[in-house]
Amino acid sequence: GAGVSQSPSNKVTEKGKDVELRCDPISGHTALYWYRQSLGQGLEFLIYFQGNSAPDKSGLPSDRFSAERTGGSVSTLTIQRTQQEDSAVYLCASSLRTGGPLNTEAFFGQGTRLTVV
Amino acid sequence: DAKTTQPTSMDCAEGRAANLPCNHSTISGNEYVYWYRQIHSQGPQYIIHGLKNNETNEMASLIITEDRKSSTLILPHATLRDTAVYYCIVSPRDSNYQLIWGAGTKLIIKP
Repeated sequence: GAGVSQSPSNKVTEKGKDVELRCDPISGHTALYWYRQSLGQGLEFLIYFQGNSAPDKSGLPSDRFSAERTGGSVSTLTIQRTQQEDSAVYLCASSLRTGGPLNTEAFFGQGTRLTVV
Repeated sequence: DAKTTQPTSMDCAEGRAANLPCNHSTISGNEYVYWYRQIHSQGPQYIIHGLKNNETNEMASLIITEDRKSSTLILPHATLRDTAVYYCIVSPRDSNYQLIWGAGTKLIIKP
């Protein structure tokens, strides 16, 4: 596709349920990043993929959070037993080269707004 | 904690230049200054970056002080579509994915 696509755009879930958030990066982008953004706050790093492996998952806030990437393309962020504090916008970014999303070749998706009630 | 400080909000008249300041007094020699913006309900969008020289592109200009402890993003002719939250971030060119983003400056362009 032309850009980074995330789905769903909005998700409301009950506390305790599991959710899966999907990211389709730009074709050919080997690096993929997940962030979350609470209301009125900046971005918080969660995990970084290079191909299908995750060299750095240090930002995942607890063992309820996991992510995988298959075929060097689509990535899924899974949150188990959701809590109200998980409510945030979850953003995905991809880039051609490694190192980080802060370069001109990196693009962000529009995010998934997760609300845990 | 974020390594930059920015005003919480600013107003600017449409058609005028918008000057957004950023303080980064603890910046290291290998760290670049990056500016991103986030329009409501969208993902962040890259604007410009620089190391020590002033930079200009089709979107904006970046002025970095000689001591590199502060910078200013300039939108030369602001339009209503420039209303957004603007983030100033300092980071090495590589391995910059773990950086901490502050709350940014909410820029409101008024007709």
